[in-house]
Amino acid sequence: AQRVTQPEKLLSVFKGAPVELKCNYSYSGSPELFWYVQYSRQRLQLLLRHISRESIKGFTADLNKGETSFHLKKPFAQEEDSAMYYCALSGSSGGSNYKLTFGKGTLLTVNP
Amino acid sequence: SAVISQKPSRDICQRGTSLTIQCQVDSQVTMMFWYRQQPGQSLTLIATANQGSEATYESGFVIDKFPISRPNLTFSTLTVSNMSPEDSSIYLCSVEAGREMGEQFFGPGTRLTVL
Repeated sequence: AQRVTQPEKLLSVFKGAPVELKCNYSYSGSPELFWYVQYSRQRLQLLLRHISRESIKGFTADLNKGETSFHLKKPFAQEEDSAMYYCALSGSSGGSNYKLTFGKGTLLTVNP
Repeated sequence: SAVISQKPSRDICQRGTSLTIQCQVDSQVTMMFWYRQQPGQSLTLIATANQGSEATYESGFVIDKFPISRPNLTFSTLTVSNMSPEDSSIYLCSVEAGREMGEQFFGPGTRLTVL
């Protein structure tokens, strides 16, 4: 079974401070990890994917297979980063249909 | 990318009735997905709908309760049947339209309240 854990339901930081949103996963195969974001009154959208090793809006996330983690980081938080963040795992193994499993989400608030 | 619309955006329904939610995509896509997001909870996959075949349901979801249609590559419907207050949720459709498996584009959601 595949599982995604986001231990923090709420995270509050001040503008300019570093932020780290934690994500741990459980999956027996080779996972693909994603971060999705939902800003207030907007639809859920992809923020970044581990396979691309990219930085989007200053956010990065490194897949650590040893620790089964995929934490999202940004060195200097901005007020516009305030949103709900979901970590998600796409599992594919043995030719069976893959599916996207979401964590419960972390609500990030960046205070001025 | 893909642009997805859903109808209705919200509805208030009586117990025992059914509601059909429509999902329209602006391009042809193979896989469409239906999720449920209960209050304060994460997204849970209900089923995967591929055109030309029956939907594949996740554990805990059955076709009698959540029948799905997928008549073509740009459209799908999800029906919530014989509703109870526990069905009050946001229902989202999504499509896989990115470069990698797991890269999905989401609709705006349908907020359902069952009295």
